[in-house]
Amino acid sequence: QKEVEQDPGPLSVPEGAIVSLNCTYSNSAFQYFMWYRQYSRKGPELLMYTYSSGNKEDGRFTAQVDKSSKYISLFIRDSQPSDSATYLCAISSGGYNKLIFGAGTRLAVHP
Amino acid sequence: GAVVSQHPSWVICKSGTSVKIECRSLDFQATTMFWYRQFPKQSLMLMATSNEGSKATYEQGVEKDKFLINHASLTLSTLTVTSAHPEDSSFYICSARRTSGLGGVYEQYFGPGTRLTVT
Repeated sequence: QKEVEQDPGPLSVPEGAIVSLNCTYSNSAFQYFMWYRQYSRKGPELLMYTYSSGNKEDGRFTAQVDKSSKYISLFIRDSQPSDSATYLCAISSGGYNKLIFGAGTRLAVHP
Repeated sequence: GAVVSQHPSWVICKSGTSVKIECRSLDFQATTMFWYRQFPKQSLMLMATSNEGSKATYEQGVEKDKFLINHASLTLSTLTVTSAHPEDSSFYICSARRTSGLGGVYEQYFGPGTRLTVT
């Protein structure tokens, strides 16, 4: 079993839709959860960062962590064509430890 | 803030030659940098962790004599692909770790990547 599972998609939605991206993980020791956005042929860009459980909101983006289910989500409201990219979840068991990435979900938002 | 640069962004080299890739944190100091490799439509694969002033820690299966890493300062790490072969062609991405304001927890910021093509 992989430490982090993420559906690679692709996910295609119309502009303005609410997008839900998800990852599951296997080890309850993971405490730090990140979401990165990667445009084609570019490096990943840190979008959201959460520690432990709960929600975090930043503009149109909301990150949720459910540690009891080992499930993390990223919601994008009012999606735009510029949101079209690959979204990678990343987790870590400690602030000093390496990140473990999901496979990435390719999202396409069409006008 | 938290900008990481890489140079070059794209390089083509002949089989058997060596290529050096630079990774710089532009507006913060990074005691730890990471080197990743990414194949098309795949996720990032961690190759090694680079700590300033000490030897890099390589992930299992990564040849340390082939992928030489030097982290000589708090803002610069280099990856040298020695005796490159076509199978080394890939997208190489570095990241630098910065302490956040959240209780000293670290965040990683990525460079734009270097596309290496070995002919």
